[in-house]
Amino acid sequence: AQSVTQLGSHVSVSEGALVLLRCNYSSSVPPYLFWYVQYPNQGLQLLLKYTTGATLVKGINGFEAEFKKSETSFHLTKPSAHMSDAAEYFCAVSANTGGFKTIFGAGTRLFVKA
Amino acid sequence: DGGITQSPKYLFRKEGQNVTLSCEQNLNHDAMYWYRQDPGQGLRLIYYSQIVNDFQKGDIAEGYSVSREKKESFPLTVTSAQKNPTAFYLCASSTPGTSRNEQFFGPGTRLTVL
Repeated sequence: AQSVTQLGSHVSVSEGALVLLRCNYSSSVPPYLFWYVQYPNQGLQLLLKYTTGATLVKGINGFEAEFKKSETSFHLTKPSAHMSDAAEYFCAVSANTGGFKTIFGAGTRLFVKA
Repeated sequence: DGGITQSPKYLFRKEGQNVTLSCEQNLNHDAMYWYRQDPGQGLRLIYYSQIVNDFQKGDIAEGYSVSREKKESFPLTVTSAQKNPTAFYLCASSTPGTSRNEQFFGPGTRLTVL
């Protein structure tokens, strides 16, 4: 079975500061990992994904995440926050266990202060 | 442009009424999903369908029903048996095998019970 834990339901950063959103997962088989972003009253949009290969993955809007198997983590980072990054972010894990099922974390709301 | 459409964007229901939320995709995806989103609770899976004429209950199926008569359509009915239906409803689709179950989301329907 898979599970996802996002540490911190709310994160606040100043504009220009580093963004770090934490995600830890549990999976009994090799996982596929995703970060999605949701703006108010909208659907989710894929930011980036890890399937196989390079463990540092780059996504849209300057975000990147690193898959660390030993730490079972997939933290999302961005070097410099912008006001437009304010949104809710969801980490998700999927695995082929005789069929794919995706488990979403509870989400982290990012606030960006001017 | 390929994508997922949901209608209506806002829906108001009186006590005891059934309402149907529409979800259509032209991405040629095999799988479709319905999620319910409440503040601070992330996404909870209501129903999913991997092929036409087949669907499975998710984690919170009670009070909901679905059909999958066409590949591109997956309507959700919120019945009067659902005691607390006020929420944001998201529809998604995917091609599980090749995409590792990367999901594409519609814009959502906000349902309010009057």
